Amino acid sequence: DVKVTQSSRYLVKRTGEKVFLECVQDMDHENMFWYRQDPGLGLRLIYFSYDVKMKEKGDIPEGYSVSREKKERFSLILESASTNQTSMYLCASSEQGGNTEAFFGQGTRLTVV
Amino acid sequence: AQTVTQSQPEMSVQEAETVTLSCTYDTSESDYYLFWYKQPPSRQMILVIRQEAYKQQNATENRFSVNFQKAAKSFSLKISDSQLGDAAMYFCAYRTYGAGSYQLTFGKGTKLSVIP
Repeated sequence: DVKVTQSSRYLVKRTGEKVFLECVQDMDHENMFWYRQDPGLGLRLIYFSYDVKMKEKGDIPEGYSVSREKKERFSLILESASTNQTSMYLCASSEQGGNTEAFFGQGTRLTVV
Repeated sequence: AQTVTQSQPEMSVQEAETVTLSCTYDTSESDYYLFWYKQPPSRQMILVIRQEAYKQQNATENRFSVNFQKAAKSFSLKISDSQLGDAAMYFCAYRTYGAGSYQLTFGKGTKLSVIP
């Protein structure tokens, strides 16, 4: 059974804290993605990676960074958390190719107080 | 840049009836891929159905089918014989064809309720 696992289901952090969201996939996929999901806005791409140590900015990268040191792991980093980063964060992975299915993690609900 | 529009924020359907969710997109490309994803309450997003733009035949997966109108840039999802388990957020998504086709561009979603 294919799996994308996010390290936390719920997370509460204080403003200004450095926050790490971890994502691991067991399918040997080349591509990994971080999306942010907000009501009425759908899913917006933050960053993606198509290979180890490679990363590309998505539509809303400001305030975030990523790390991919190993193929199976893709981390999202909030350098200094702010209240407007309170959101649901979804990690996904897929094989190379346009028609390939993206597999999603269960999501991390992050609240910044 | 491509955009995906889902004009129905919420819809409802009676159990066993048929419902159609709308999706339109804007692109200047001739080849691309389209997807419908389902996100049940508190559960993971899963793929419902996919369509390659160069295929004229509409994709079908059991009770789920699409009406792909390339000239109109329309990609609607039809759910037949609706079941309680179909209640979810449904997202339409677009992906570019060819090398570098990495990211999915999503619409804002349609929340589907199924009435017993």
